[in-house]
Amino acid sequence: EPEVTQTPSHQVTQMGQEVILRCVPISNHLYFYWYRQILGQKVEFLVSFYNNEISEKSEIFDDQFSVERPDGSNFTLKIRSTKLEDSAMYFCASRKRDLGKDTDTQYFGPGTRLTVL
Amino acid sequence: AQSVTQLDSHVSVSEGTPVLLRCNYSSSYSPSLFWYVQHPNKGLQLLLKYTSAATLVKGINGFEAEFKKSETSFHLTKPSAHMSDAAEYFCVVSDRRGGGNKLTFGTGTQLKVEL
Repeated sequence: EPEVTQTPSHQVTQMGQEVILRCVPISNHLYFYWYRQILGQKVEFLVSFYNNEISEKSEIFDDQFSVERPDGSNFTLKIRSTKLEDSAMYFCASRKRDLGKDTDTQYFGPGTRLTVL
Repeated sequence: AQSVTQLDSHVSVSEGTPVLLRCNYSSSYSPSLFWYVQHPNKGLQLLLKYTSAATLVKGINGFEAEFKKSETSFHLTKPSAHMSDAAEYFCVVSDRRGGGNKLTFGTGTQLKVEL
């Protein structure tokens, strides 16, 4: 069964450094998402992406964050200058196009644990 | 705005006894509702979903949930708990406006299953 994959599984970085988190969505999916879960807190929406542009973003997703689909398979989240409070588990998700069955379901990757020191 | 309230942060049951994880939602539109499960150090796995078809929804591993519009609830149940069910469970509502379908998560319920 197709799965969403994410790399790396764990990233440690110094405050102020740039990080890029990578995701490979399920191949026939067209909608892509990033969520994060700070330790002990609930999962929060960051951004949704469709047709090579952001369709919605949360207040968390400020100018330090960006997303890109550079090559038709990868979907990346970049944090330009990491802060301590960016430490969290980051989940990528993907969803089919809005036709046919199962179009509401977002399938999640295993997550990348980002630790900012 | 949409929101989800999971009424219990921790639930403890004995193996073989029923499980009830409670969820209430708020949505201005006809919602899609989901339960996801997260095992330790694992990602989020879809258990089941409600998307305006049958109000009683069956999912994987013997779980089911009933959508009750009058009570704005979507409680998750299982007749008989197994040790492998120990995990964190998230009730989730989807906002279909604008086509983005962002998900709003509840705070989660940690299910403990004891022998």
